Amino acid sequence: GNSVTQMEGPVTLSEEAFLTINCTYTATGYPSLFWYVQYPGEGLQLLLKATKADDKGSNKGFEATYRKETTSFHLEKGSVQVSDSAVYFCALGYSGGGADGLTFGKGTHLIIQP
Amino acid sequence: NAGVMQNPRHLVRRRGQEARLRCSPMKGHSHVYWYRQLPEEGLKFMVYLQKENIIDESGMPKERFSAEFPKEGPSILRIQQVVRGDSAAYFCASSPGPLAATDTQYFGPGTRLTVL
Repeated sequence: GNSVTQMEGPVTLSEEAFLTINCTYTATGYPSLFWYVQYPGEGLQLLLKATKADDKGSNKGFEATYRKETTSFHLEKGSVQVSDSAVYFCALGYSGGGADGLTFGKGTHLIIQP
Repeated sequence: NAGVMQNPRHLVRRRGQEARLRCSPMKGHSHVYWYRQLPEEGLKFMVYLQKENIIDESGMPKERFSAEFPKEGPSILRIQQVVRGDSAAYFCASSPGPLAATDTQYFGPGTRLTVL
């Protein structure tokens, strides 16, 4: 079956540090890939997505590139801020075909210290 | 445009009671998804509904759990005879179209169910 594996947290960084959160997946066919962010007490918000190989999703300074050869979708940001502290979820999904739910990783808790 | 709304935000039930969780999708969205998040786990897909139809319930436990999305009103996730293992955060998401991969799913704030 499909699965998503993320690096274990919590990840603690200082403000302005470079961020990488690793995400790899196992899937059949050609899924789309997503990063969602969850702030304390809130629901998940879509951060970025990529729908085919070599696509780069980007938003709010975050980037991730869909690498089919390594089945990865690592999240990066050049300079993190305290306000980026949250839980980040990597997910995959398919266009139709009956598999309509997203498959999520366990989440990575990111803590940014001033 | 209001986002996805869920209520209650917190629900406490004793073992054997029923839990009803409500989800109102974003305006104009007719596709609803329910997910469960157990402690220290990622979200697990439970069920996908359109108005008056269950499209995919492959992630739903076979017993005690049911979901509906009536023509009028919110989507309801119903858990009968709750057990402690049902304690989790339940998230609802909605989308404007049927394609999960190309249409963004918008999530509600979740209902945190605690079973005593």
